[in-house]
Amino acid sequence: KQEVTQIPAALSVPEGENLVLNCSFTDSAIYNLQWFRQDPGKGLTSLLLIQSSQREQTSGRLNASLDKSSGRSTLYIAASQPGDSATYLCAVTTDSWGKFQFGAGTQVVVTP
Amino acid sequence: DAGVIQSPRHEVTEMGQEVTLRCKPISGHNSLFWYRQTMMRGLELLIYFNNNVPIDDSGMPEDRFSAKMPNASFSTLKIQPSEPRDSAVYFCASSSDPVWGREPRGGELFFGEGSRLTVL
Repeated sequence: KQEVTQIPAALSVPEGENLVLNCSFTDSAIYNLQWFRQDPGKGLTSLLLIQSSQREQTSGRLNASLDKSSGRSTLYIAASQPGDSATYLCAVTTDSWGKFQFGAGTQVVVTP
Repeated sequence: DAGVIQSPRHEVTEMGQEVTLRCKPISGHNSLFWYRQTMMRGLELLIYFNNNVPIDDSGMPEDRFSAKMPNASFSTLKIQPSEPRDSAVYFCASSSDPVWGREPRGGELFFGEGSRLTVL
């Protein structure tokens, strides 16, 4: 059974510092890996989707890498801002139906 | 596109009452997922549909839970009778079938805002 782990569970950084969020998964035979952001009381917002044949995806200040052989993905957020404060979740799917397994998330606080 | 639309956003009910949560997926998406989120257990997949057909309902906690998708633009999750331990945020999400190969696309999951259920 696929297990997704995100460490650390919480992270606090000063504004301007780069954020590095880690995600690991036990079954390397994944189809897709997706990073989400969740603000308190809100739904999940998709940030980046990396498909199995890809090694990274970029969107603005966000960059996500995927290393299937080691079962790891890293989300980089450059020059963090207080508005980046949220919980970030990683999810992977190991079937073609798109059934995702989620990590518990990393709660990020960016202090001004 | 309006995104995934869920209703109600908040529901407070008493134990034993029937609860119906509704979801409209993104137009053109053919997979629909129901998740439940709690502090203790995080996000749990309850059931998912592909082309309106239930594919896997192994995450449905008990027979008190049922889900239907009568057409491509509507799904319901019903709890009858409800219990206090059902209190959670219920999310609906949708996606289009992933396309593999040299130009992979699709498969991205989009969530609604959720329905916060409180059972007293």
